[in-house]
Amino acid sequence: GQQVMQIPQYQHVQEGEDFTTYCNSSTTLSNIQWYKQRPGGHPVFLIQLVKSGEVKKQKRLTFQFGEAKKNSSLHITATQTTDVGTYFCAGPISGGSNYKLTFGKGTLLTVNP
Amino acid sequence: DTAVSQTPKYLVTQMGNDKSIKCEQNLGHDTMYWYKQDSKKFLKIMFSYNNKELIINETVPNRFSPKSPDKAHLNLHINSLELGDSAVYFCASRGPTGELFFGEGSRLTVL
Repeated sequence: GQQVMQIPQYQHVQEGEDFTTYCNSSTTLSNIQWYKQRPGGHPVFLIQLVKSGEVKKQKRLTFQFGEAKKNSSLHITATQTTDVGTYFCAGPISGGSNYKLTFGKGTLLTVNP
Repeated sequence: DTAVSQTPKYLVTQMGNDKSIKCEQNLGHDTMYWYKQDSKKFLKIMFSYNNKELIINETVPNRFSPKSPDKAHLNLHINSLELGDSAVYFCASRGPTGELFFGEGSRLTVL
């Protein structure tokens, strides 16, 4: 079945350093979504990318969707302690009412102040 | 107002017991989900309902029975709890462009 793979599993950085997490799908995705889960919290939707080669920015966060729509990345510039959490990518399987979002295993980011 | 609310937030129980988790969303969405998050943070889909109809059942043991009395509610009942059922269970509803809105989670601990 379709899989969404995400690396790295863990990333520890010093505050101010950059961070990137990568997501790869075994099949072409209609869109890719990114979520952030703070420690002890719940996943919160960050963004959705739909177009091939799309790049979107949210302040220090930059999201990219690959040309083949099979891979994506999230880059954080100059991390802050508030960036701590697990970042998940997710891609949909099937269409219509059987919409199933498959999540990558997430990248846990810890930031040393 | 919380958009997707789950109760209880914490549940500690003995093996073999039966328990329920309730979920309600006030976003007007048609589709709701249950996800299980294990200790390694992996989010695995369990069930999905669209307007009270079951549309996804991810080969979850039949000890798990979801129920949707209306499209704003999706409850999860678990019979004969096992140690491996310990996890955080997240309810979610699907927005108009496919994004998911998660509840705060229900942490189940089976002793």
